[in-house]
Amino acid sequence: RKEVEQDPGPFNVPEGATVAFNCTYSNSASQSFFWYRQDCRKEPKLLMSVYSSGNEDGRFTAQLNRASQYISLLIRDSKLSDSATYLCVVNSPGFQKLVFGTGTRLLVSP
Amino acid sequence: NAGVTQTPKFQVLKTGQSMTLQCAQDMNHNSMYWYRQDPGMGLRLIYYSASEGTTDKGEVPNGYNVSRLNKREFSLRLESAAPSQTSVYFCASTPSSYNSPLHFGNGTRLTVT
Repeated sequence: RKEVEQDPGPFNVPEGATVAFNCTYSNSASQSFFWYRQDCRKEPKLLMSVYSSGNEDGRFTAQLNRASQYISLLIRDSKLSDSATYLCVVNSPGFQKLVFGTGTRLLVSP
Repeated sequence: NAGVTQTPKFQVLKTGQSMTLQCAQDMNHNSMYWYRQDPGMGLRLIYYSASEGTTDKGEVPNGYNVSRLNKREFSLRLESAAPSQTSVYFCASTPSSYNSPLHFGNGTRLTVT
């Protein structure tokens, strides 16, 4: 089983829609979780960290479910500019590194 | 504030040639990383340096070597390039090794013919 798994998509949604992605992780001891955004051929950029109690940043909400070992990202009122690939990142306990999922592609259409 | 700077941005090599990808950060971060990204494969860790003076292998270290020259600089060397090393390479840094988000450079697009 991969350490971090994501549905590659693409998720095609109209502007204004709400869309959610999940990401599962295999190691129950993982402590740090992040969502990154990557535009085509550009470097990944931090979208938000994911905290145990859940957190919100404007239209974006991140949740952590430790029992089922997944994190989620909810985007409300989708904009054309939200079209990108969203990468889930989880720390690998015992190893001093972060592991990336392969990403979920989002396409927002007019 | 430059953040993480990678050079070169683009490179074309012939099979068997060698080259060094340079990475420098000005954020006083302890940990630095080299990733490669291929279509459908996501980001894969090549090598990392948790702190100055240490380096460790990641998922795909074969064909690469690294040097943590000082706290700022972490270079990646391809001794004998192969077409399978055609990829986009990203350097990243973070204040601590696993509980802080990564800051990425702009990437190096390498083609090996």
